[in-house]
Amino acid sequence: QVQLVESGGGVVQPGGSLRLSCVASGFTFSSYGMHWVRQAPGKGLEWVAFLRYDGSKNYYADSVKGRFTISRDTSKNTLFLQMNSLSSADTALYYCAKGHDYGDSYLASWGQGTLVTVSS
Amino acid sequence: SELTQDPAVSVALGQTVRITCQGDSLRSSFGSWYQQKPGQAPVLVIYGKTNRPSGIPDRFSGSSSGNTASLTITGAQAEDEADYYCNSRDSSGDHLNWVFGGGTKLTVL
Repeated sequence: QVQLVESGGGVVQPGGSLRLSCVASGFTFSSYGMHWVRQAPGKGLEWVAFLRYDGSKNYYADSVKGRFTISRDTSKNTLFLQMNSLSSADTALYYCAKGHDYGDSYLASWGQGTLVTVSS
Repeated sequence: SELTQDPAVSVALGQTVRITCQGDSLRSSFGSWYQQKPGQAPVLVIYGKTNRPSGIPDRFSGSSSGNTASLTITGAQAEDEADYYCNSRDSSGDHLNWVFGGGTKLTVL
């Protein structure tokens, strides 16, 4: 079955950087678009970034554009999120999610998330 | 583009409840619905207007008209108590953006 396992979260100072990873299994990783979604403590879901199934296109929320980069390593079935210039507004639980067979716009499977805390 | 949901809705056990989501992006994108229980990751419950993933009970159904998408739970159960989020894709030129609604907290009485 589909499994997504995020890692790389932690405590980072404002202005710092962090790289999140999401190891995928149970499906052909290179055939699906992948998303990052975050959830600040006690708040709702916020879409962060998307990478097309073939890696040719990526899209970002305005709140992270120019600071975050989504990428992948298909040889390791791993999705990444490089986060730079972090601020307290980026504190959240970060989920990776797999696009659905029906279309990448539907987030069919989610990991359990990795927590990023930006604090001095 | 934004998606607007009522913050909270309640339903008596066994009754029917409809949760709505409004936004301009829903005119061109069917959207999807996610259930999130405390301490758990979200789960897709409805996609493509009316489709249910395998394993989702058939008491969950979806509909859409104009700029409004709806999630209906027919015969709500105690285990349906959760936060529900709508989501849709918004396109502007060659840029894509996905938006979540603010979420609706469903209480089953």
